[in-house]
Amino acid sequence: DAGITQSPRHKVTETGTPVTLRCHQTENHRYMYWYRQDPGHGLRLIHYSYGVKDTDKGEVSDGYSVSRSKTEDFLLTLESATSSQTSVYFCAVNRDPAYEQYFGPGTRLTVT
Amino acid sequence: AQKVTQAQTEISVVEKEDVTLDCVYETRDTTYYLFWYKQPPSGELVFLIRRNSFDEQNEISGRYSWNFQKSTSSFNFTITASQVVDSAVYFCALSLSNFGNEKLTFGTGTRLTIIP
Repeated sequence: DAGITQSPRHKVTETGTPVTLRCHQTENHRYMYWYRQDPGHGLRLIHYSYGVKDTDKGEVSDGYSVSRSKTEDFLLTLESATSSQTSVYFCAVNRDPAYEQYFGPGTRLTVT
Repeated sequence: AQKVTQAQTEISVVEKEDVTLDCVYETRDTTYYLFWYKQPPSGELVFLIRRNSFDEQNEISGRYSWNFQKSTSSFNFTITASQVVDSAVYFCALSLSNFGNEKLTFGTGTRLTIIP
């Protein structure tokens, strides 16, 4: 499982509230990613990080921000949650040297 | 932009039958990587294979095999002698690796049901 944990695993929140999801890895990988999974869309990249304090946008970054202050933690924040952000969120890391991308267990977020 | 198409939304086969999951990709780059993942009913994503664009050799791992054909931009996945435990959603994905930074573009997945 590449030592990836996500917290919380499930969350229900109301529209307009801020939400932060955490991804934690124990193997010191440089590259980390946040994806969302929605029916009919597969998984889509939200943001990614290529090192501490180095992040960039993915395909569906609107409404999301990220931070990485330590190698092991990559945070995804919804500043003001909307119902369209109801989804399952997966964190991933690239494992050196084969660069095989492994995923965390996922967080199911429901915005009511 | 890259695109991955998995035209088969759902497939059902009887146990012990062979089944092939199709994956067609689009990219203008000559260097790219292709992936397959399995998502069982429990929801986690399980890495199955990563293949680079310069290696067209077919890969076999137990009952699983992959057929990569650049001429048709396809990376198909075959399960031989299917088992109930193979029931899952399978995703094909593409990345343009940039010194280890792999931003995956996923297909929409194929839900495979193995009937006992």
